[in-house]
Amino acid sequence: DQQVKQNSPSLSVQEGRISILNCDYTNSMFDYFLWYKKYPAEGPTFLISISSIKDKNEDGRFTVFLNKSAKHLSLHIVPSQPGDSAVYFCGYGGSQGNLIFGKGTKLSVKP
Amino acid sequence: ETGVTQSPTHLIKTRGQQVTLRCSSQSGHNTVSWYQQALGQGPQFIFQYYREEENGRGNFPPRFSGLQFPNYSSELNVNALELDDSALYLCASSPRTGYNNSPLHFGNGTRLTVT
Repeated sequence: DQQVKQNSPSLSVQEGRISILNCDYTNSMFDYFLWYKKYPAEGPTFLISISSIKDKNEDGRFTVFLNKSAKHLSLHIVPSQPGDSAVYFCGYGGSQGNLIFGKGTKLSVKP
Repeated sequence: ETGVTQSPTHLIKTRGQQVTLRCSSQSGHNTVSWYQQALGQGPQFIFQYYREEENGRGNFPPRFSGLQFPNYSSELNVNALELDDSALYLCASSPRTGYNNSPLHFGNGTRLTVT
């Protein structure tokens, strides 16, 4: 049973527009959420995080929103650039100091 | 500052064989974790080592085992390989256990193919 769900396997966006990647979770005890980005032939790299005591965290073009009542997390990229094309994983911190990831969403930003 | 390095990058093994994958942690990081990423899936936690002791384990059978050395480098060993073990194996290091203040730094992975 997936605890973190990314229901959109892929997303295609025009350069300069907004990309919105979504993530749903089941356990309301999660207290720390993260987004990682992965390019082909590379390992995942940390992008942005948010604590459950916040509903928004911003870092440059990247903003993560947390809706605890809906158990929903989203990542907004504005404006989207071709270099943002990658697979994006949302995840949360597990009880063993590990990260639990969704299946990922492949973002394609077209010039 | 060197990042997380893994070797080899690719490996092909036969079902039933044993394999050892290696990882050098990022300088100053004393915690290492291993993840398995099957095709179309997100990375799944195998186990974590801290100060040479296993410090957490995911839902993987005992034939998946590991070591962490005093220099914080690490090995992942898989015995009696099965076809479903074919995946990308990722090593990640962090300066302390827990995730709140120290996001994991991943290596580029080892692509294992079991035939």
